[in-house]
Amino acid sequence: NAGVTQTPKFQVLKTGQSMTLQCAQDMNHNSMYWYRQDPGMGLRLIYYSASEGTTDKGEVPNGYNVSRLNKREFSLRLESAAPSQTSVYFCASSYPDRDSNQPQHFGDGTRLSIL
Amino acid sequence: GQQVMQIPQYQHVQEGEDFTTYCNSSTTLSNIQWYKQRPGGHPVFLIQLVKSGEVKKQKRLTFQFGEAKKNSSLHITATQTTDVGTYFCAGRKASGSRLTFGEGTQLTVNP
Repeated sequence: NAGVTQTPKFQVLKTGQSMTLQCAQDMNHNSMYWYRQDPGMGLRLIYYSASEGTTDKGEVPNGYNVSRLNKREFSLRLESAAPSQTSVYFCASSYPDRDSNQPQHFGDGTRLSIL
Repeated sequence: GQQVMQIPQYQHVQEGEDFTTYCNSSTTLSNIQWYKQRPGGHPVFLIQLVKSGEVKKQKRLTFQFGEAKKNSSLHITATQTTDVGTYFCAGRKASGSRLTFGEGTQLTVNP
């Protein structure tokens, strides 16, 4: 049981390049999330998708776009990478419930450096 | 907006010493979750607290949720080298709202 799978694990980009981070989960979760993690700042939500076909902005959405391709997959796209987007990116998923009490399951992360 | 603050940011202890991290919210929380992230790893869910004044234990770890549901703590008794990592709290202001993570407390344990 793979859980949440992220690709690639590492990536180096030049300023202005574009790329898509991929995320897939095999737990039949409806909700999926993209976070970025920077030193001393915890995990900040970029975008989330409560269910297939819906996406919503999180705390730091500028410079990113997302696509909920199907129930399993949720991708994050950087259209024109900037050095400020150097970070570790985590995808997560969870069951939704009325009281939002479900834990989030995280992938291994993508370490992205933008020069 | 909702803020969840965690202190301390760093903690260095000798193996066998106790460790506590504190989480404080500017608003009342409906529930709080705790996660652990090993160095180079990803956050892993530890536990969730829902009720005012709730206390839960997992072996050497004790989790508390404040009476006003605005603060929480994680206490580790007699730390071991396997406890090394960053501990995050994450709270929800209300049912259905987004989870907000604290900045985390990075724990190092000297053998």
